[in-house]
Amino acid sequence: DQQVKQNSPSLSVQEGRISILNCDYTNSMFDYFLWYKKYPAEGPTFLISISSIKDKNEDGRFTVFLNKSAKHLSLHIVPSQPGDSAVYFCAALLTGANNLFFGTGTRLTVIP
Amino acid sequence: NAGVTQTPKFQVLKTGQSMTLQCAQDMNHNSMYWYRQDPGMGLRLIYYSASEGTTDKGEVPNGYNVSRLNKREFSLRLESAAPSQTSVYFCASTPQSSAGTVSYEQYFGPGTRLTVT
Repeated sequence: DQQVKQNSPSLSVQEGRISILNCDYTNSMFDYFLWYKKYPAEGPTFLISISSIKDKNEDGRFTVFLNKSAKHLSLHIVPSQPGDSAVYFCAALLTGANNLFFGTGTRLTVIP
Repeated sequence: NAGVTQTPKFQVLKTGQSMTLQCAQDMNHNSMYWYRQDPGMGLRLIYYSASEGTTDKGEVPNGYNVSRLNKREFSLRLESAAPSQTSVYFCASTPQSSAGTVSYEQYFGPGTRLTVT
């Protein structure tokens, strides 16, 4: 049973516009969330994270929003650039545990 | 710093053959992990090692064994490969949290693409 879900397998956005990637989770005990970016033939690389005590975390063009009551988080990329084209995974964990639970990924294509 | 390295990059096995996937990190990280990635499934944890000398099962451990050889190296062994183990395998590591700071970010290697026929 998938505890972290990314319901959109793919997303296409024009360069310069906003990209919004969504993620839902079912386990209300998760208290830390991460986004990873993955290029073909490479391992995932960490992008941004958020603790459940916050509802927003920003790092440059990337902002993650957390809505605990809806068990939903989203990643906003503004402005989107062609180099952002990759697969994005969200992940969740219970702090103190070792298991990161990953979503199935969303392939973002930024069109020049 | 090479980060997390994995060998081999690609491997084809016949059903029943055995092999060991190697992983090493040069970041002095305490915890290391093995994941598999399958289409439509995301990454799933196979085994992890919280520190040198310890290993524990993750979400999908059946058919695998691991060895934490030292702080740098964490290997994954398939004793008798099955077609269901065709996947991309990723190794990852995490630094130990120090006083006042906690780190949950995992650093991943480039992956090993394994096909079992």
